[in-house]
Amino acid sequence: ETGVTQTPRHLVMGMTNKKSLKCEQHLGHNAMYWYKQSAKKPLELMFVYNFKEQTENNSVPSRFSPECPNSSHLFLHLHTLQPEDSALYLCASSLVTSGGPNEQFFGPGTRLTVL
Amino acid sequence: DAKTTQPPSMDCAEGRAANLPCNHSTISGNEYVYWYRQIHSQGPQYIIHGLKNNETNEMASLIITEDRKSSTLILPHATLRDTAVYYCIVRTAVSNYQLIWGAGTKLIIKP
Repeated sequence: ETGVTQTPRHLVMGMTNKKSLKCEQHLGHNAMYWYKQSAKKPLELMFVYNFKEQTENNSVPSRFSPECPNSSHLFLHLHTLQPEDSALYLCASSLVTSGGPNEQFFGPGTRLTVL
Repeated sequence: DAKTTQPPSMDCAEGRAANLPCNHSTISGNEYVYWYRQIHSQGPQYIIHGLKNNETNEMASLIITEDRKSSTLILPHATLRDTAVYYCIVRTAVSNYQLIWGAGTKLIIKP
C-alpha cells in the first residue's frame, strides 16, 4: 500500500460512453498527477495539479478532462475515447516544497480498455 | 533534464546482489538521480535517490561515480519479488513535476 488508491482497477467502455477515474491520496501531499502507460511504451505525464491548480497539460486531447476538487482527490473524466486510448492510467502524488525534489508515490492504476 | 541509458534486461540469481547500471553522462550539477521500479501490472514504486554521495536505505544502495556520469543500483540480496522493470531518472529540483521515463531495465530474478 502506497497511500494512493485508484478506482476502478479495471474498466471496459465503448467509444460513446462517459466514465470517470478516481484517485485519492492519504499522504498529506499537495501535488497530484495523471500518467498514461501504453503497452511497450514509457510512462507519459498527462496532467499535474499543484495546490489544486492545474500546472501542466502535456498536449492531452480534450476527450480527457481532469478535475481536482481538493488536494486529496483527483479525477479523470473520459468521453468519446478511441481504442488507442486503451492503457494503464496511473495516478501519483508528491509533497512539493521549496527544499528540493520529492519522490512521487503511485497508485495501482486503472486498466482501461476502449472497445 | 538529462537522458539516461540502461540495459534493456538483466538476470540475477536469487540471494545474490543485483547490480543495475545507469549511464547519465550529460547530467548537470543540480540534477538528482532517482530510481523507481515497476512490478508487472502495478504502479511504479520509489526506491532511492541521490545527488553525489552514495545512499542506502532499507531497499537498496545507490552508488554514484565521482564524475556523476553513471550510477549503480544495488539490491543486496535479490528475491523473486524483486523481478520488475527498474527505471533510472535524472531530474532537477526545479523540474519537480516532470519525470522523464525511459524503457528501464527488466530485471529477472531466477531461483
